[in-house]
Amino acid sequence: GDSVTQMEGPVTLSEEAFLTINCTYTATGYPSLFWYVQYPGEGLQLLLKATKADDKGSNKGFEATYRKETTSFHLEKGSVQVSDSAVYFCALRNQGGKLIFGQGTELSVKP
Amino acid sequence: SQTIHQWPATLVQPVGSPLSLECTVEGTSNPNLYWYRQAAGRGLQLLFYSIGIDQISSEVPQNLSASRPQDRQFILSSKKLLLSDSGFYLCAWLTSGVDTQYFGPGTRLTVL
Repeated sequence: GDSVTQMEGPVTLSEEAFLTINCTYTATGYPSLFWYVQYPGEGLQLLLKATKADDKGSNKGFEATYRKETTSFHLEKGSVQVSDSAVYFCALRNQGGKLIFGQGTELSVKP
Repeated sequence: SQTIHQWPATLVQPVGSPLSLECTVEGTSNPNLYWYRQAAGRGLQLLFYSIGIDQISSEVPQNLSASRPQDRQFILSSKKLLLSDSGFYLCAWLTSGVDTQYFGPGTRLTVL
C-alpha cells in the first residue's frame, strides 16, 4: 500500500545550521506531496506542498522538491532558527484521496 | 476565509465515561471532514472521514464513533472511554477540487 517514510528524530541543530529532513514515499500514480509542521501543543499547519514531478514547494525559508525518479520530497532550510523547533510531517495524498503521513521528525534548534 | 474550530481544547475524563468532541468548519460548503488521533508516539492515525451529512467511513475498528449531523459539523463520540483512548484528536477539512487538508487546533484527551 501507499506509505511515507521519514528520517527518525529527534534532530538537534544549532541556530543557523543547515537542515535536511529526508522523506521518501511509495504510491501508485502521481500523488501530491506535503510537509506539515506541528508546534508544541498545537494542531498541524501546512508548511508547503508540491503537486507534480520537479515542482518545488517553498515557505518561510523551507523548500522541498518533488523527485519522481527517487520518490523523495526532502525538506531543507538553509539557516534554522530556534522558532523552527517543532515536529515535521511528510505526507502524500493518494489516488483514493486519502492523506498518508510519515511518522514525524522532531526538530530541536538550540541557540 | 475558512476556519476550523475544535472544542474542548483539553479534557480529562475517567475510564468508562462518555465522550463528545466537536469540530465545526466556517467559510466553506460541503467539505470532506476527518478525525485523526495522535498518540504519544506522534504518528497520526485516521479514525473517520465524511464526504457528506450522515456519510461516515471508519478506518479502524475501535471504541469510538463519529457523526455528521450538519454539513459543517463533525462529532467524535464514545459511550465508554478506555485508557487507550488518550491522545491528541485532530479534525481536518478538505474542499472538493482542492487537494490540501487543513487541520484544527486539536483536543488533548486524557483518560484516567
